[in-house]
Amino acid sequence: DIVMTQSPDSLAVSLGERATINCKSSQSVLFGSNRRNYLGWYQQKPGQPPKLLIYWASTRESGVPDRFSGSGSGTDFTLTISSLQAEDVAVYYCQQYYSTPYTFGQGTKLEIK
Amino acid sequence: QVQLQESGPGLVKPSETLSLTCTVSGGSISSYSWSWIRQPPGKGLEWIGYIYDSGSTNYNPSLKSRVTISIDTSKNQFSLKLSSVTAADTAVYYCARWDGYFQPWGQGTLVTVSS
Repeated sequence: DIVMTQSPDSLAVSLGERATINCKSSQSVLFGSNRRNYLGWYQQKPGQPPKLLIYWASTRESGVPDRFSGSGSGTDFTLTISSLQAEDVAVYYCQQYYSTPYTFGQGTKLEIK
Repeated sequence: QVQLQESGPGLVKPSETLSLTCTVSGGSISSYSWSWIRQPPGKGLEWIGYIYDSGSTNYNPSLKSRVTISIDTSKNQFSLKLSSVTAADTAVYYCARWDGYFQPWGQGTLVTVSS
């Protein structure tokens, strides 16, 4: 199984400041033939299901604000929120879909400082 | 806009079978693939398995011996059965459309395993 490890486990950022969440996979999720990274990011607010933010490591899902961006390749990935808003308080998960069983990171809890 | 809704018993006895159904509305279940994911209270996400509209399936090896996912295209529904449940199977169970990544998701349903 591919193990997904996120850092940090929790993060407190001031409103308007940048938030950065890291995700590392135990093996590469870059598919050679199409040069795509099989990596997604989700946001989960309390009492709600996860919501897809980013897929293919850097493609923003329709309707997701452009302050959210994804980057990285191979085994190391980053989710960046460029200017934190109050509504961004949530737990964020990365997920690999390179191979089954699909696996998620343990989650990063983002709070307002 | 496609929406998903899970339904089924919220309480299951140990050693019995958990059965849930996901109803897809706002679009056809055909030509897409579908998945189940679960989340124990206060914990992270675990992929259970997926099913193609053709009926082909792929399950998480950690659950494979106990899981069955099926699809009924005439009802726009797909289902999950998990046998021989224990307290460790207590979780919120989500259904979702699967494209490798998962979107959209249902609201989830809490299933508690207890006598």
